[in-house]
Formats: sequence, structure tokens, C-alpha cells
Amino acid sequence: DVKVTQSSRYLVKRTGEKVFLECVQDMDHENMFWYRQDPGLGLRLIYFSYDVKMKEKGDIPEGYSVSREKKERFSLILESASTNQTSMYLCASSSPTTDLSGYGYTFGSGTRLTVV
Amino acid sequence: AQKITQTQPGMFVQEKEAVTLDCTYDTSDQSYGLFWYKQPSSGEMIFLIYQGSYDEQNATEGRYSLNFQKARKSANLVISASQLGDSAMYFCAMRGDTGRRALTFGSGTRLQVQP
Repeated sequence: DVKVTQSSRYLVKRTGEKVFLECVQDMDHENMFWYRQDPGLGLRLIYFSYDVKMKEKGDIPEGYSVSREKKERFSLILESASTNQTSMYLCASSSPTTDLSGYGYTFGSGTRLTVV
Repeated sequence: AQKITQTQPGMFVQEKEAVTLDCTYDTSDQSYGLFWYKQPSSGEMIFLIYQGSYDEQNATEGRYSLNFQKARKSANLVISASQLGDSAMYFCAMRGDTGRRALTFGSGTRLQVQP
């Protein structure tokens, strides 16, 4: 069963900590994405990557960075966590050959991050 | 750039009745795809249905159908014969054929099915 795995389901971190959210996919997908989900705002794109060592800013990149050293792994980094980064974070992957089709995108189960 | 608007923050429906969740979109792309996802309380995103902009017929998947009106830029999800297990958040999303390959999401609709 193909999947996108996010390493933590729940995380609690302190303000100012450096936080790593990990995402691994086993589908050999070129594209990977990080979204954050907040009530009333839906999912908003933070960063995405089309290839190894490649990254592009999404709609809300401030306060975040990413790393993609291997094709299967896409990490989201909060350099200095703040309380306004408390949210649900969702990782997704897709292949450019199938992403304009119904099952083109696969999502992880999400990481609920609380910054105190 | 794409934009998705879902104007119903919450909806109630009686079990076994049909319900329509609204979605309007805006894009300058000629070719694009429209998606609906279900998110139960567990948090996973479950793909429901897809409509391509050049598909002539409205998409259907079991109890789900997509009422696609291209001229009005709407892509409403219709759930027939609602079940208690349909209670969840529902997101409309789209991707155009130019620009970035990421999905753009609406704000979602929370559906509650009442017995």
C-alpha cells in the first residue's frame, strides 16, 4: 500500500525551539508539498519541491524552511518556533505524470504541532 | 493563480437525505482539475472525486457526484443518501495546468449527518 508517512502524529514544543517535521513517501514521486491547516482557512501551501535539492516558496513561507536531500524525504523546519505556528501540518506527494487525475496526490496523516 | 471559495462553514443533513456542498473557483488556466477530499476527525485526507475541465460529463463515484458548471465556475459536491459516517470536513481543491503543481484548497465545509 503506497503511502506518505509523517514521523509524528502529535508534537509539543517550546517557543524558540528548532522543530523538524519529517515526511517520507514510498511512491518515487518527484513532487512533495507541505501545507498547514487552520480552522476556517483550509490548507495553505508553505513550501514545495519538484526534485531533490530543489524548493520553492508557497503562499505562507515566513518562519519556515525545508530540506530535500533525498527524493523520498521532505523535511519542514521551524527555525524558531512561535505560538502562532501551532497548527496541523500535512505533507503530500504527487507525480507530474498523474497529478491531474483523481488519485494523483497522496497525503500523510498530519502532524498536530502545539507550541507553548 | 487559482482561488477556491467554499461559502458554507457548516452543514447539517438528515441521514438518508442528499446534500450539496458548494464550491466556486477562479483561474485563468484553460485546463485544470477539480478535486474533492473528505477529512474525518482522524485527520487523513481521503480523495473522493475528480473533474477535469474538459470532461464533458459530470464525474460520479458511488454516492458522490460533482455538479460541474464551467460557465459559472462552480464544482459542487452532491452526496446522495447521507450516512452517519459522512460526518467530516470536506475540501474542494484545484490545480491548473500552468504554474505550480500544488493543489489550492478552499476553507472547507463541516458536514454533520443527523440520525
